[in-house]
Amino acid sequence: AQSVTQLGSHVSVSEGALVLLRCNYSSSVPPYLFWYVQYPNQGLQLLLKYTSAATLVKGINGFEAEFKKSETSFHLTKPSAHMSDAAEYFCAVSENTGFQKLVFGTGTRLLVSP
Amino acid sequence: NAGVMQNPRHLVRRRGQEARLRCSPMKGHSHVYWYRQLPEEGLKFMVYLQKENIIDESGMPKERFSAEFPKEGPSILRIQQVVRGDSAAYFCASSPPTSGGRPFFGPGTRLTVL
Repeated sequence: AQSVTQLGSHVSVSEGALVLLRCNYSSSVPPYLFWYVQYPNQGLQLLLKYTSAATLVKGINGFEAEFKKSETSFHLTKPSAHMSDAAEYFCAVSENTGFQKLVFGTGTRLLVSP
Repeated sequence: NAGVMQNPRHLVRRRGQEARLRCSPMKGHSHVYWYRQLPEEGLKFMVYLQKENIIDESGMPKERFSAEFPKEGPSILRIQQVVRGDSAAYFCASSPPTSGGRPFFGPGTRLTVL
């Protein structure tokens, strides 16, 4: 069975600092991995996805994630945090490129201070 | 183009009552998915529907829960005889009919059972 672990339910950074949100996965087949962001009172928005092409995936809003098979990780990074990045971030895994059944992590709330 | 709409956004029910959650997919989308997020947990897949068909309901509790997506009108997630453990955020997502089309999530319905 697939699973996703997000370390840290809350991450706090200062504006301009590096953002690093951790995600480790468990999958019996080559996984397809996703990062979603949820702003308050809104639905989840896809930030980026890995589908076995390039291991470094660039997404929207300056975010990127690197797939590391040896570490079973798919950490999300952004070089310089903006106040507008404050939100909840979810990592998810799927067995295929379809989105029919995603398995989500518990989420990490990113707090950005001035 | 309006996004995925869910209503109500907040729903309060007493134990034993019925809860009906509605999801209007984006225009042109014929696939609907329901996910549930229990407190302190990640989103968990419940059911995948196409118009008038349930494709995958492997995540639905065996009793009290049902879902439909009629030819006309919104998708409905129905919970009969609610219990406190049903308190959660319920998210709907929709995707176009093309294979692997990524889903767009709604803002969710927060159900509270007193």
